[in-house]
Amino acid sequence: GENVEQHPSTLSVQEGDSAVIKCTYSDSASNYFPWYKQELGKRPQLIIDIRSNVGEKKDQRIAVTLNKTAKHFSLHITETQPEDSAVYFCAASGRSGTYKYIFGTGTRLKVLA
Amino acid sequence: GAGVSQSPSNKVTEKGKDVELRCDPISGHTALYWYRQSLGQGLEFLIYFQGNSAPDKSGLPSDRFSAERTGGSVSTLTIQRTQQEDSAVYLCASSYRGGPETQYFGPGTRLLVL
Repeated sequence: GENVEQHPSTLSVQEGDSAVIKCTYSDSASNYFPWYKQELGKRPQLIIDIRSNVGEKKDQRIAVTLNKTAKHFSLHITETQPEDSAVYFCAASGRSGTYKYIFGTGTRLKVLA
Repeated sequence: GAGVSQSPSNKVTEKGKDVELRCDPISGHTALYWYRQSLGQGLEFLIYFQGNSAPDKSGLPSDRFSAERTGGSVSTLTIQRTQQEDSAVYLCASSYRGGPETQYFGPGTRLLVL
């Protein structure tokens, strides 16, 4: 069935360093890949997304890369700040172009001051 | 404008009771999703409504779970004969057309089954 694997489950970095979170997906029909940030006790919020016709997308300190052949996509956060500490979820769109996202299990990022 | 809202924010119930969870999507959004988030886990898809189309119920874990969306707006998720394993945060999200676009999440309902 459809599956999204996310690694690592936890990640600690020093403030100012970069953080990378990786996801793999199983359904070759997936064509949309959003990333959500969920702060403690709050709702998930979209931080960046990428479509399958694009290999990379950047938004200030955040970037996402997509390798369709390998079915990998990654989130890159540069110059991390304490407020980046949260749980990050990747997701892939479902089969046949449906948009019931299949979510990864999340990465708890801690940025140490 | 107003975001997605959900009620109640917290619900404690006894095993075997039925519960109803409500979601008010963003006005004008045609797509509505329900997800379940267990402690320390990712978001598990439950059900998807898109306009007047038949809902995609493929994620409902058992026939104790059902959902309705009346008038293309408000949705209710019902869990019958609740079990302890149903304890989780139930998140609702909506999007404009149900395509490759941002899904806006509500604050969730934290359900505890004793």
